[in-house]
Amino acid sequence: NAGVTQTPKFQVLKTGQSMTLQCAQDMNHNSMYWYRQDPGMGLRLIYYSASEGTTDKGEVPNGYNVSRLNKREFSLRLESAAPSQTSVYFCASSEVTSAVQETQYFGPGTRLLVL
Amino acid sequence: RKEVEQDPGPFNVPEGATVAFNCTYSNSASQSFFWYRQDCRKEPKLLMSVYSSGNEDGRFTAQLNRASQYISLLIRDSKLSDSATYLCVVTAYKYIFGTGTRLKVLA
Repeated sequence: NAGVTQTPKFQVLKTGQSMTLQCAQDMNHNSMYWYRQDPGMGLRLIYYSASEGTTDKGEVPNGYNVSRLNKREFSLRLESAAPSQTSVYFCASSEVTSAVQETQYFGPGTRLLVL
Repeated sequence: RKEVEQDPGPFNVPEGATVAFNCTYSNSASQSFFWYRQDCRKEPKLLMSVYSSGNEDGRFTAQLNRASQYISLLIRDSKLSDSATYLCVVTAYKYIFGTGTRLKVLA
């Protein structure tokens, strides 16, 4: 049981290049999320998918697109990378465990540097 | 005002000490509360949920004060392995993370 996996672990891009970050979970969770973490800013939600076939914008969606390929996989695409997108990207998944609580499980992260 | 605020620290404490962190939140409609632990360059991992009645897990105790809108985490008998950043999470239809409090336990 691998939990949440992400690829790649590290990536260096030049400004204007595109790339896709991959995320997969094997916990049969319905909801999946993409966050970015920057120093002093905390984790900020980029996009989320409440269930297969649906995606919604989070707090900082500009410059990103997502695809919920199936229940297991949720990818994040940068169409034209900018230095401001240098960050650590975390994917997470969750299952509603009660009416009000929802525990999120995180992948190991992708460190992205845009030059 | 930030939705969730934490003292960034660092809190430097000797092994065996008791240390407490607070986290304040601004949305009175917040529903769920968590403490996550994040080691350097690693992903956040759930430490414990925070219930209205308070809850304890070994050396860790979490409390919620809805009237004053804060949650707390108490760590007793600190270990070197407790050194990490502790993230407060508050939910109101979405997860809202604090920026974290850094703890260093010194030998």
